[in-house]
Amino acid sequence: GQSLEQPSEVTAVEGAIVQINCTYQTSGFYGLSWYQQHDGGAPTFLSYNALDGLEETGRFSSFLSRSDSYGYLLLQELQMKDSASYFCAVVSGAGSYQLTFGKGTKLSVIP
Amino acid sequence: DGGITQSPKYLFRKEGQNVTLSCEQNLNHDAMYWYRQDPGQGLRLIYYSQIVNDFQKGDIAEGYSVSREKKESFPLTVTSAQKNPTAFYLCASSINYEQYFGPGTRLTVT
Repeated sequence: GQSLEQPSEVTAVEGAIVQINCTYQTSGFYGLSWYQQHDGGAPTFLSYNALDGLEETGRFSSFLSRSDSYGYLLLQELQMKDSASYFCAVVSGAGSYQLTFGKGTKLSVIP
Repeated sequence: DGGITQSPKYLFRKEGQNVTLSCEQNLNHDAMYWYRQDPGQGLRLIYYSQIVNDFQKGDIAEGYSVSREKKESFPLTVTSAQKNPTAFYLCASSINYEQYFGPGTRLTVT
């Protein structure tokens, strides 16, 4: 089976940098994805790491260490609109790309 | 305008009734998925389908059923056998590791 751990809540100041960690135990691992979900909304894809290292997309970066079963999402220059829940998800199952989600980290950005 | 539509946005039913949630996509994706989300929780996979006329159970399939007669459509039926059906239901489709989600249906059963 799969299990993922991430902090339940994080608070950060507008303009600052925040890191959301994710550790996982899994079989059949292909990669780690991150999704953002605003209250009442649909999750939207942020990033995918299949290989070790850092992937950067604008203000957001995501890191993966397969040997440590660990990844993180880094959000820079925080804006109020970044207040949302962030989910890490293990990608498994070649062809079907099944996702197993963590319980999510609720990020609150304060002025 | 490509995307995934789910209807209705809110649905209310009495206990003991079956209810079918709609999911349609015009992204030409082969794979489709149904998830359930409870307050403060992550998404849990109910069923998924990789191609038309084929679908597989996810982690929490008991009390649910699906069909995949067309590539564009993947309806989910919540049966009376589902012990705790009140939840937020999300449909998704994908062509690779990136999943695209619909706006969700919030089902309340009393």
